[in-house]
Amino acid sequence: EVQLVESGGGLVQPGGSLRLSCAASGFTFSAHYMDWVRQAPGKGLEWVGRIRNKANSYTTEYAASVKGRFTISRDDSRNSLYLQLNSLKTEDAAMYHCTRVDNSGSLGAFDIWGQGTMVTVSS
Amino acid sequence: DIQMTQSPSAMSASVGDRVTISCRASQGISNYLAWFQQKPGRVPKRLIYAASSLQSGVPSRFSGSGSGTEFSLTISSLQPEDFATYYCLQYNNYPLTFGGGTKVEIK
Repeated sequence: EVQLVESGGGLVQPGGSLRLSCAASGFTFSAHYMDWVRQAPGKGLEWVGRIRNKANSYTTEYAASVKGRFTISRDDSRNSLYLQLNSLKTEDAAMYHCTRVDNSGSLGAFDIWGQGTMVTVSS
Repeated sequence: DIQMTQSPSAMSASVGDRVTISCRASQGISNYLAWFQQKPGRVPKRLIYAASSLQSGVPSRFSGSGSGTEFSLTISSLQPEDFATYYCLQYNNYPLTFGGGTKVEIK
């Protein structure tokens, strides 16, 4: 079964840091680009960023709202994806989902989503 | 950034109704548009990709159309399990951007 399982969320103060993890199983993780998508409570979906595969040098893309504060990385040997969140703001509070990118054309879209891990930013 | 504008933002419909949701891109995105369904407390589920390709396992009452800047998702005969929020996503340019969502409620 194809599965993505996130962990690492929690309560953090503004300005603090957190590292989210995503464990992948049931597919060839190393072959896929992987994205993070977030959803604030009661709000819509927001793309956070992407990491490409080894063949594309593990390069990354970020939304402007998180660029310079968040860092996406991966460990293909552990089938794991990570999101380092630094300098957190109250507006970063959201459910964070890792997603698998497929070959649906152009940049590719997400076909598999994890259940998400909740990040709360509050003093 | 490409802005994705969905309409309506909410609607009421009855079981058996034909429902159409629109999504407009602020610039051309060819056919690189996907539709997602999200039920309360659940993870989004992809219904359509490449504007009109049906995701495996999704009922055939769902269909997508459009290219360039104008797109639509149609549910040919609304079923009780279809009451949810629907989002479009453009994946032709970075940053990937979602529409604001359309909530389909029971009339």
